[in-house]
Amino acid sequence: DIQLTQSPSSLSASVGDKVTITCRANDGIGSYLAWYQQKPGKAPKLLIYSASTLHSGVPSRFSGSGSGTKFTLTISSLQPEDFATYYCQQLHNYPRTFGPGTKVDIK
Amino acid sequence: EVQVVESGGGLIHPGGSLRLSCTASGFIVSDNYINWVRQAPGKGLEWVSAVVPGGRTYYSDSVKGRFSISRDNSKNTLSLQMNNLTAEDTALYFCVRYSFWSAFDIWGQGTLVTVSS
Repeated sequence: DIQLTQSPSSLSASVGDKVTITCRANDGIGSYLAWYQQKPGKAPKLLIYSASTLHSGVPSRFSGSGSGTKFTLTISSLQPEDFATYYCQQLHNYPRTFGPGTKVDIK
Repeated sequence: EVQVVESGGGLIHPGGSLRLSCTASGFIVSDNYINWVRQAPGKGLEWVSAVVPGGRTYYSDSVKGRFSISRDNSKNTLSLQMNNLTAEDTALYFCVRYSFWSAFDIWGQGTLVTVSS
């Protein structure tokens, strides 16, 4: 099974900051990686798929990069509505594993 | 509107069974990859099961042999039969559509399963 790790597990940032989250896979997954945002009490929302493609309606301040085993999610200028938990997920094979999540909160 | 709605959650004793349902609208269940993802209280997301358009099914190791996913094409619904439940199965269960050209793009609001004596 593909295992995903995320770093950091949590971070504190201010509005306007640039934020970068890293997701690593224990084996190569090509570009079969997605990122999700989840706010408390809500279902996750798809942000990015195929490692770097922005899902419809997602603000352009979100971007993704990487391939193989290392991926990053970047928020170029953090907005108040971006405080949430972010998960990566591999779609290379089954089981469709998720990373443990990165919680972004207000500094 | 394209959406999925889960139902069937509740409080169940350890060792019991429960059947979750997922009703889709705006798309045809049998033409899509549909998944169940769960989230234990205060924890992360865990993929549980999937059924693909051809009917093949997949399960996580943690539920294999106890859970069964199925479709009712006439009702455009999906079910998750959960047997021999344990406290570790306590979670919010999401029904999620996987769009082949993107990712898990349509999520329901979830249905809560609590396994407790």
